Amino acid sequence: NAGVMQNPRHLVRRRGQEARLRCSPMKGHSHVYWYRQLPEEGLKFMVYLQKENIIDESGMPKERFSAEFPKEGPSILRIQQVVRGDSAAYFCASSPRQGEETQYFGPGTRLLVL
Amino acid sequence: SQKIEQNSEALNIQEGKTATLTCNYTNYSPAYLQWYRQDPGRGPVFLLLIRENEKEKRKERLKVTFDTTLKQSLFHITASQPADSATYLCAPTRRTYKYIFGTGTRLKVLA
Repeated sequence: NAGVMQNPRHLVRRRGQEARLRCSPMKGHSHVYWYRQLPEEGLKFMVYLQKENIIDESGMPKERFSAEFPKEGPSILRIQQVVRGDSAAYFCASSPRQGEETQYFGPGTRLLVL
Repeated sequence: SQKIEQNSEALNIQEGKTATLTCNYTNYSPAYLQWYRQDPGRGPVFLLLIRENEKEKRKERLKVTFDTTLKQSLFHITASQPADSATYLCAPTRRTYKYIFGTGTRLKVLA
């Protein structure tokens, strides 16, 4: 059973470009969570999605950031017009059911904005 | 506001000894507490979960305690090995999907 998959693992963008991060949850998991980890900081919750629905995006910046989890395909975290402060590791986690106590994390995408 | 504290300084111990890591939290009452391991350049890997009504939990060489009065969890690795070297994250969690993580403690086990 493959774990949570994320790609790309590393992404370099220049200021003003768009970044697209992809996450495929574990097989059988329909709940996806995105977290951001800044250097020397803990992981911070960004958004929680189920298939075709955003359940909670309270941790996501209101501008430039969006997320989706379509009926088919991976979940996408999109950052438009990236700035240097967006440089961080972005992790996706999944769980089989809401309220499931343990979330399983992917390897992360490291975004570097030049 | 909710706050989680883990030893920010790295913990160096000799192989074979017991490593003890501390997680303190304030301003909320978690329903359970999880410990994750994170290696450089990788995602967190789930290790153990302990509930608010449990005092202690064990898994192989790992032991976790949870003291809701002190608002503290201790994470022990017995007979430590160099392969245990990693950053260990605690996440005291309410009944919610929004995990709150500490910044982690870096453990280095010296051969």
